Amino acid sequence: GAGVSQTPSNKVTEKGKYVELRCDPISGHTALYWYRQSLGQGPEFLIYFQGTGAADDSGLPNDRFFAVRPEGSVSTLKIQRTERGDSAVYLCASSFIAGAYNEQFFGPGTRLTVL
Amino acid sequence: RKEVEQDPGPFNVPEGATVAFNCTYSNSASQSFFWYRQDCRKEPKLLMSVYSSGNEDGRFTAQLNRASQYISLLIRDSKLSDSATYLCVVILGATDSWGKFQFGAGTQVVVTP
Repeated sequence: GAGVSQTPSNKVTEKGKYVELRCDPISGHTALYWYRQSLGQGPEFLIYFQGTGAADDSGLPNDRFFAVRPEGSVSTLKIQRTERGDSAVYLCASSFIAGAYNEQFFGPGTRLTVL
Repeated sequence: RKEVEQDPGPFNVPEGATVAFNCTYSNSASQSFFWYRQDCRKEPKLLMSVYSSGNEDGRFTAQLNRASQYISLLIRDSKLSDSATYLCVVILGATDSWGKFQFGAGTQVVVTP
């Protein structure tokens, strides 16, 4: 079956612009996660959705970052007033349900470059 | 101090040799652990879970040492295709009981002919 998909694969924007990154999880997966990965680092947790609600958004760095999952499937990560420091690969993952022993399946990521 | 720490490497390994590396974690309440593999400019993929008693999957062996708070990964008979970054994942208990992943920065392994 299809895995997690993310669009766009690459996004170049200018400082101060608004961007939206989309994630389409594996069908039937109720849990969805967003991570950010900088060069030479591991993925850093941003936000976790269980169904439509954000169950844990403790990783969002500031209020310029916001994510939604209105129908419990596709999610959009929104970044306002982008800064050069936002440049990274944004990874989305999903799992059937959340849990300490449950594998998370990752999408290929969106490489965001802020000029 | 970081929650999860890994030696970044690179570990340069001749084909056919054995390589092993550790991942240390700071929170003694951590309840579960994984190794993920990440190829260059690709997404992380699950390599194996780490069980308390240790576990093996083909040429890969994972161990957990709760007393010293580290997990290890050993790769036997290394193949060129094992070249990748290996990410340690620690799942904390208590306040992150929903299963929040904490990643290490990764250990790079380069297998040479």
